Amino acid sequence: NAGVMQNPRHLVRRRGQEARLRCSPMKGHSHVYWYRQLPEEGLKFMVYLQKENIIDESGMPKERFSAEFPKEGPSILRIQQVVRGDSAAYFCASSPTGTGFHEQYFGPGTRLTVT
Amino acid sequence: DQQVKQNSPSLSVQEGRISILNCDYTNSMFDYFLWYKKYPAEGPTFLISISSIKDKNEDGRFTVFLNKSAKHLSLHIVPSQPGDSAVYFCAAPLRENAGGTSYGKLTFGQGTILTVHP
Repeated sequence: NAGVMQNPRHLVRRRGQEARLRCSPMKGHSHVYWYRQLPEEGLKFMVYLQKENIIDESGMPKERFSAEFPKEGPSILRIQQVVRGDSAAYFCASSPTGTGFHEQYFGPGTRLTVT
Repeated sequence: DQQVKQNSPSLSVQEGRISILNCDYTNSMFDYFLWYKKYPAEGPTFLISISSIKDKNEDGRFTVFLNKSAKHLSLHIVPSQPGDSAVYFCAAPLRENAGGTSYGKLTFGQGTILTVHP
């Protein structure tokens, strides 16, 4: 049973380019969360998605950032016109469907470097 | 507003001894708490969780204690091993809607770097 998959593991972009980060949740999980860890800081929530729905995007910057989780395929976090301050580790987590509390399981992360 | 706080940035322990990692929270609406371990260049790994209706949960060498009146929880690792050296995060989920039964985003503490010396 594969865990949460993220790709690429490392991504280098020049300022002004677009970054696309992908996340495939664990089998049987339909809830996906994106978190960002800036250097020397803890993880900060960005966005929570279920299939074809954004449930909570309260942690995502209003400009340049977007996320989707289509009916088929991985969840995508897109950052347009990247700036140096976007350099961070981006982690995706997934949890099972259903009400009640469920642990979130994390992928290995994508390390974005903006030059 | 830091709703989950880990006030000790680092902890150093001898192999075989007990490691105690602490976490405080301010939001009385939290009713579950989780601990994650993170190695460099990897994602956080879930360790153990506790419901607010309990004051203790144990899993092998890991025990989490919850003191609701003090809004404090701690993770005990006994005996500590060098492979336990990592960053430890406490986290708490928020309900999707007030009074709802589903949970969404996790709020994380800043993390504590644990070093276990052989």
